[in-house]
Amino acid sequence: DAGVIQSPRHEVTEMGQEVTLRCKLISGHNSLFWYRQTMMRGLELLIYFNNNVPIDDSGMPEDRFSAKMPNASFSTLKIQPSEPRDSAVYFCASSSRATNEKLFFGSGTQLSVL
Amino acid sequence: DAKTTQPPSMDCAEGRAANLPCNHSTISGNEYVYWYRQIHSQGPQYIIHGLKNNETNEMASLIITEDRKSSTLILPHATLRDTAVYYCIVRDRPSNDYKLSFGAGTTVTVRA
Repeated sequence: DAGVIQSPRHEVTEMGQEVTLRCKLISGHNSLFWYRQTMMRGLELLIYFNNNVPIDDSGMPEDRFSAKMPNASFSTLKIQPSEPRDSAVYFCASSSRATNEKLFFGSGTQLSVL
Repeated sequence: DAKTTQPPSMDCAEGRAANLPCNHSTISGNEYVYWYRQIHSQGPQYIIHGLKNNETNEMASLIITEDRKSSTLILPHATLRDTAVYYCIVRDRPSNDYKLSFGAGTTVTVRA
């Protein structure tokens, strides 16, 4: 089991550019979470999917942020246009009832917007 | 609106037991106590969870007081690799509450 896989591991971009973060869920998991971590705000839940359907996107900061699950095993988080204040570590996590809803996190994407 | 209170930091000697306290005085009957940890530059990792009874697994033990208003995570023989931020989280059963809300946690430093 490879665990939750995120790419890229690091992303450096310029303000105004589009950024796409990717996440591959653990096989068989049906819940997907995107979190953002900063020194100031800690770990914040951005959006939660269940069975490919967005259930709660109340944590998505602005319309510049969007997330999708084109299939049961893959998700993207897109920021367009990016701003320096979006600089953070972005984590995705997956879970399932079979694992008693424990969250398994990826290694994160360190995003720097210059 | 924090549901848990943890000390911001603590040190522990390698090879000794590390006892991490957590206060959750407003916990309700359906809410579980979860512990996660985050090692530097990694994503959070599940450790253990419990409702009323004490729990033990290969990583740690969880002791919950009888009134459930506080708990202690015990790392029986701390190693340098246990240096991390430890999060105590109170959460309803997953079917009722999918959210896992992380506070500031306790930064544990294991020293040789």
